[in-house]
Amino acid sequence: EDKVVQSPLSLVVHEGDTVTLNCSYEVTNFRSLLWYKQEKKAPTFLFMLTSSGIEKKSGRLSSILDKKELFSILNITATQTGDSAIYLCAVLGGNQFYFGTGTSLTVIP
Amino acid sequence: EAQVTQNPRYLITVTGKKLTVTCSQNMNHEYMSWYRQDPGLGLRQIYYSMNVEVTDKGDVPEGYKVSRKEKRNFPLILESPSPNQTSLYFCASSFGTGVSGYTFGSGTRLTVV
Repeated sequence: EDKVVQSPLSLVVHEGDTVTLNCSYEVTNFRSLLWYKQEKKAPTFLFMLTSSGIEKKSGRLSSILDKKELFSILNITATQTGDSAIYLCAVLGGNQFYFGTGTSLTVIP
Repeated sequence: EAQVTQNPRYLITVTGKKLTVTCSQNMNHEYMSWYRQDPGLGLRQIYYSMNVEVTDKGDVPEGYKVSRKEKRNFPLILESPSPNQTSLYFCASSFGTGVSGYTFGSGTRLTVV
């Protein structure tokens, strides 16, 4: 059975902390892995990863994929209260997307 | 503005009364999909469509129907809604077969009583 597992489920940190969110997967016909940020509305796209070992970076956020060990991490440095959200990991296997249940991040001032 | 438009945003209905949630995209995307999001279960795919007149079941298709008569529209139909279909629904679209990532609609919060 195809599955995507995210950890931790929930995280509370103080502003300025660095966090690492994890996504492991078992999906046949892997094509890509994507990270989304969901606040109180629709998910918004962060990164798409298709190759192992190549870091994608956008400001304080970065992500990397390990296709051998079947996982990805999303790092957020110098967290801000605006980073509070649910972070979703999705894997495209064949023509179907599989989502993890998400990691809820709360950043306290 | 490039977007995926869902309607309605909120809907409360009674068991058994047929309803349709509309989804339209203006980006000429081939791939469209419907998800439901439930606490603790994440986003689960209901149906997807790779192009006009091509639809496939996702993980949780029971109780739902879709159609793709035009490229821009992908309505979700609940023929006889039941309380276990109370959920937050998202429509999403992307180029190709989804490899470039989705653009999501704003969501439809459905309550079936």
